[in-house]
Amino acid sequence: DAKTTQPPSMDCAEGRAANLPCNHSTISGNEYVYWYRQIHSQGPQYIIHGLKNNETNEMASLIITEDRKSSTLILPHATLRDTAVYYCIVRVASQGAQKLVFGQGTRLTINP
Amino acid sequence: DVKVTQSSRYLVKRTGEKVFLECVQDMDHENMFWYRQDPGLGLRLIYFSYDVKMKEKGDIPEGYSVSREKKERFSLILESASTNQTSMYLCATVQGHKETQYFGPGTRLLVL
Repeated sequence: DAKTTQPPSMDCAEGRAANLPCNHSTISGNEYVYWYRQIHSQGPQYIIHGLKNNETNEMASLIITEDRKSSTLILPHATLRDTAVYYCIVRVASQGAQKLVFGQGTRLTINP
Repeated sequence: DVKVTQSSRYLVKRTGEKVFLECVQDMDHENMFWYRQDPGLGLRLIYFSYDVKMKEKGDIPEGYSVSREKKERFSLILESASTNQTSMYLCATVQGHKETQYFGPGTRLLVL
């Protein structure tokens, strides 16, 4: 799996958009970008994934640059419940049955 | 929605006790995983299973065993609990080679 780099921590005001960056400059053509998050003392939660097109679901949007070397997870209207550690992972989709490896992630704090 | 449940959220056991952690999923997924998560060490794979009665060692199987008698249920067994097995235990599931792993809420185990 390609290596990812994320800022260790970020703050965002409640109600504003939270933009979480991820660098993955060594990503290969068949690797997807996945985002998970982990709220304190809970299991990780899948958020979204994409290959090269931007993706949106009920939780978030994923913006992937044209060269695919970086991406941004957007939480459009952050709430206090979005406070969590966010993990960006790149991996081949067919390796879904392989173990997940989380880096250090970004600790996002939503402030009232 | 995929539902993955774990038998306990918090558990306190004594050294030498036999401990059973149970994971149940309701989506008929083939693949199930047991991880442990410790501060600074991220997720580490203990065991996984591709089908009923099948099991494979992960990266840190020592001191653990598993059982998968039914497709929906994957049990982690600590044969003789030790203090270094104090950790957060996470179960995950994924269908075949699809890309997304879904996690249970986790069991925080304290071994005294």
